[in-house]
Amino acid sequence: DAKTTQPTSMDCAEGRAANLPCNHSTISGNEYVYWYRQIHSQGPQYIIHGLKNNETNEMASLIITEDRKSSTLILPHATLRDTAVYYCIVRPHTGANSKLTFGKGITLSVRP
Amino acid sequence: NAGVTQTPKFQVLKTGQSMTLQCAQDMNHEYMSWYRQDPGMGLRLIHYSVGAGITDQGEVPNGYNVSRSTTEDFPLRLLSAAPSQTSVYFCASSFDGKNNYGYTFGSGTRLTVV
Repeated sequence: DAKTTQPTSMDCAEGRAANLPCNHSTISGNEYVYWYRQIHSQGPQYIIHGLKNNETNEMASLIITEDRKSSTLILPHATLRDTAVYYCIVRPHTGANSKLTFGKGITLSVRP
Repeated sequence: NAGVTQTPKFQVLKTGQSMTLQCAQDMNHEYMSWYRQDPGMGLRLIHYSVGAGITDQGEVPNGYNVSRSTTEDFPLRLLSAAPSQTSVYFCASSFDGKNNYGYTFGSGTRLTVV
């Protein structure tokens, strides 16, 4: 899997947008960008994924740069419950390798 | 629809004891996997299965065995527990293992080996 680089931590104010960056400069053409989060002591939770187009769902938006070397996860109106570790993962969409490789992620702290 | 169910939630073992961590899913997912998470580290893949009767090793398989006799269940066995296996264990499942639909994780089993 291509490696990703994320800041160690960041914070934002409740109600504001949280923009979480991720660098994946060695991403291959067939690799997707996935985001998961892990709220304290819970199992990871799938958030969103994309290939090259921007994606949006009920949880978040994913913005991928045109060269696909970086992306940003956007939580439009962060709440205290969004405090968690967020993992950016790149992996092939098809093929026999079905593994998710987690890095250390970025710790998002939402302050009141 | 319970999702992914892990039992037990907590367990304390003595060195050398054996036990099985249970994982069951009711979503008819083909792909299942086991991860361990140690303090300050990300999740590391132990074993995974792409369907009933098929298993393979992940990143840290030593000390663990798995089997997949049914689509629903994917138990993880510790044959002779060691303190180094103290960790939080997560089971995950996916419809096709290709992340098309995201992975669903269980709530974890917190294991302490003394």
